[in-house]
Amino acid sequence: GQQVMQIPQYQHVQEGEDFTTYCNSSTTLSNIQWYKQRPGGHPVFLIQLVKSGEVKKQKRLTFQFGEAKKNSSLHITATQTTDVGTYFCAGSKSNDYKLSFGAGTTVTVRA
Amino acid sequence: SQTIHQWPATLVQPVGSPLSLECTVEGTSNPNLYWYRQAAGRGLQLLFYSVGIGQISSEVPQNLSASRPQDRQFILSSKKLLLSDSGFYLCAWDFLRGNTEAFFGQGTRLTVV
Repeated sequence: GQQVMQIPQYQHVQEGEDFTTYCNSSTTLSNIQWYKQRPGGHPVFLIQLVKSGEVKKQKRLTFQFGEAKKNSSLHITATQTTDVGTYFCAGSKSNDYKLSFGAGTTVTVRA
Repeated sequence: SQTIHQWPATLVQPVGSPLSLECTVEGTSNPNLYWYRQAAGRGLQLLFYSVGIGQISSEVPQNLSASRPQDRQFILSSKKLLLSDSGFYLCAWDFLRGNTEAFFGQGTRLTVV
């Protein structure tokens, strides 16, 4: 079955530094989505990527979809304490209705 | 606008007791519906998904079952809870046949004691 793997599982970042989390799928995806879950909360949609090689930016967040549509990355610059939480990627195939989530990257920030 | 309601928010149940968690969606029709479980510090494990009334697909063998008696109602049940059923249960929906975002309920934190 489809598997979406995400690394690293934990990311401890000094405030102001940059970091990247990576997402890899065993199969070609029709789209990739990213979610953020604050501690104690529920996942909230951040962005969706559909096109091969697509890059999207949201302020300090940069999302990329690989050329083969099997991998994706989220890069955060100048990390702030508000970035704390778990970031999930999720992908679906064109002939499948369901999203498969990665295990998430839990981010903590040192002030 | 669409909303998703999930209840209860927290639940403490003894081992061997039954379980019923309910999720309802408003403001849309024919949604895909999902039940996920998140163990402490872990990712989201898909338990069940449904593309229509009475249509349930199970992702992993387990002690739980799901039902969709109405288009916008999704129920997660168990006849006898196990300690390992503890976790954070999330209901979610997205549009049928669409590559659109999933909307999550607030979640139910279940502790089996």
